[in-house]
Amino acid sequence: DTGVSQDPRHKITKRGQNVTFRCDPISEHNRLYWYRQTLGQGPEFLTYFQNEAQLEKSRLLSDRFSAERPKGSFSTLEIQRTEQGDSAMYLCASSRRKGQGGWAALHFGNGTRLTVT
Amino acid sequence: QKEVEQNSGPLSVPEGAIASLNCTYSDRGSQSFFWYRQYSGKSPELIMSIYSNGDKEDGRFTAQLNKASQYVSLLIRDSQPSDSATYLCAVKGNNDMRFGAGTRLTVKP
Repeated sequence: DTGVSQDPRHKITKRGQNVTFRCDPISEHNRLYWYRQTLGQGPEFLTYFQNEAQLEKSRLLSDRFSAERPKGSFSTLEIQRTEQGDSAMYLCASSRRKGQGGWAALHFGNGTRLTVT
Repeated sequence: QKEVEQNSGPLSVPEGAIASLNCTYSDRGSQSFFWYRQYSGKSPELIMSIYSNGDKEDGRFTAQLNKASQYVSLLIRDSQPSDSATYLCAVKGNNDMRFGAGTRLTVKP
């Protein structure tokens, strides 16, 4: 278990540019989640995948955001035409399938901190 | 109404005291409940999960769940300065895993 890996750790970009983040989940986890977190707030759900299928996407998510998980392993999150309001920590998490007791907990990566200038 | 609400902080307790953190949720179909700890600048890490009504103890931590009241809590006994962090309540229901805004806890030596 090498943990959830995110790249890059930090990204500074100018308003209007596109950015892409990568997440490598724990290898045996089939569920992968993206969250966004701003200072003083809890993680805000963006989207999640079960294997390669994107099962849910937040209604709050702009069309500028897109996520993929092409082979059911790593995932990418792209933000097009970035805005200053996109500045946040972007967290990726993965989990196993539901177990006997209930839904498995999420394991988080270290996050990608995005700053849009 | 927010889907997951936590008691507003910050919460400050002296070392050795009991810290009590509370959380309510709106989705009655919620099935699984989690407490995460998040240190400043770090990502959330799991403390406990609870799925059934009642208490669940793990060392100094006790999670309590009351589905009828849509309420979940976390008690930290013998609080230590190293427990100073933001505690996040997470709820898995018909929608996906949702988090509260967190309660910031400070344990003073």
